[in-house]
Amino acid sequence: GENVEQHPSTLSVQEGDSAVIKCTYSDSASNYFPWYKQELGKRPQLIIDIRSNVGEKKDQRIAVTLNKTAKHFSLHITETQPEDSAVYFCAASRSSGYNKLIFGAGTRLAVHP
Amino acid sequence: DSGVTQTPKHLITATGQRVTLRCSPRSGDLSVYWYQQSLDQGLQFLIQYYNGEERAKGNILERFSAQQFPDLHSELNLSSLELGDSALYFCASSAGQDPYGYTFGSGTRLTVV
Repeated sequence: GENVEQHPSTLSVQEGDSAVIKCTYSDSASNYFPWYKQELGKRPQLIIDIRSNVGEKKDQRIAVTLNKTAKHFSLHITETQPEDSAVYFCAASRSSGYNKLIFGAGTRLAVHP
Repeated sequence: DSGVTQTPKHLITATGQRVTLRCSPRSGDLSVYWYQQSLDQGLQFLIQYYNGEERAKGNILERFSAQQFPDLHSELNLSSLELGDSALYFCASSAGQDPYGYTFGSGTRLTVV
């Protein structure tokens, strides 16, 4: 069935370093890949997404890359700041029809000052 | 405020009881999705409704049921509650049948004692 694997489960970096989170998906028909950030006790919030017709997308300090052949996609955060500390979830979905998001298990990112 | 409203925010109940969680989607959104997030776990898809009709089912227990009403609000009913049902329950909404612009509510924290 549909499955999304996410690594690492925890990530600790120093402020100013880069952080990379990787996901792989099983459904080859998936073509929409969003990333969500969830701060403690709060709702997940969309931070960036990518569709299968592009290989990379950037928004200030965050970027996402997609390799459809290998069925994996990654989140890159540069110049990390303490406020980037949160749990990050990747997700995958087909974009047509009645399609839901399937989420990875999450990565707990800690940015130390 | 995401525009997706979930009530109640917190719920404490005993094993064997039944509860109802409520979700009002963003204005104009026709799809509602329910997810379960257990402690330090990912977001498990439960069920999706589109314009009043069930459209997709995930790993939803037979003790759980849901519906979407003509005014598009949705209710998730959990019965014969067990300790393991303690979790955060999120609903999300999107405009159409696809998952673009998926927005989450603030969640209902259910504690079964």
